[in-house]
Amino acid sequence: EVHLFESGGDFVQPGGSLRLSCAASGFTFSSYAMSWVRQAPGKGLDWFSGISGSGYSTQYADSVKGRFTISRDNSKNTLYLQMNSLRAEDTAVYYCARSNGNYLRDFFDYWGQGTLVTVSS
Amino acid sequence: SYVLTQPPSVSVAPGQTARITCGGNDIGTKSVHWYQQKPGQAPVLVVYDDSARPSGIPERFSGSNSGNPATLTIGRVEAGDEADYYCQVWDSSSDQGVFGTGTKVTVL
Repeated sequence: EVHLFESGGDFVQPGGSLRLSCAASGFTFSSYAMSWVRQAPGKGLDWFSGISGSGYSTQYADSVKGRFTISRDNSKNTLYLQMNSLRAEDTAVYYCARSNGNYLRDFFDYWGQGTLVTVSS
Repeated sequence: SYVLTQPPSVSVAPGQTARITCGGNDIGTKSVHWYQQKPGQAPVLVVYDDSARPSGIPERFSGSNSGNPATLTIGRVEAGDEADYYCQVWDSSSDQGVFGTGTKVTVL
């Protein structure tokens, strides 16, 4: 059974940094692209970063480009998100989501339960 | 950037049919996917590639994308279908995922 479990969410001041992790199990992790999707309180879903199964290809939305870095360790079945220069508007529940194949353009067939990041002074 | 527009809300009586639209430029040329999200829970895929259903999703959920807009149809609506629904595509021009604005389905 596929499981995705996010961790690392916390309360952080503006300008601070945080690293999120997403532990995967139940499938061959390196064969699937992964994405991070966030949801601000009371708002909709917002895709902002993805990475291919090999880790060689990454994509970012303009809203996080240059501040966030997505990576993966296929030996540990874990997806990461390094978030720097955090802003109040980054406050959200952060989900990791699995693509249906090795390509980012595939749909998201499994999701974690999310981890809350709060950016406030 | 690519924009997907959904109605903010749809209300439907139990046993009736709910239709949720998703509009975007040339959306008929893209594969549209739909997700259901209940309060406090992660999204769940209910339709992919315009009209395919993942295993475990009732046949009452169907999708179409023959032009603008794409549509998610929920037949014989039940109280348990009350949730937010989001459409999603991959925008190949920017190589980014895009979600619709979301529709709250209320079962009367």
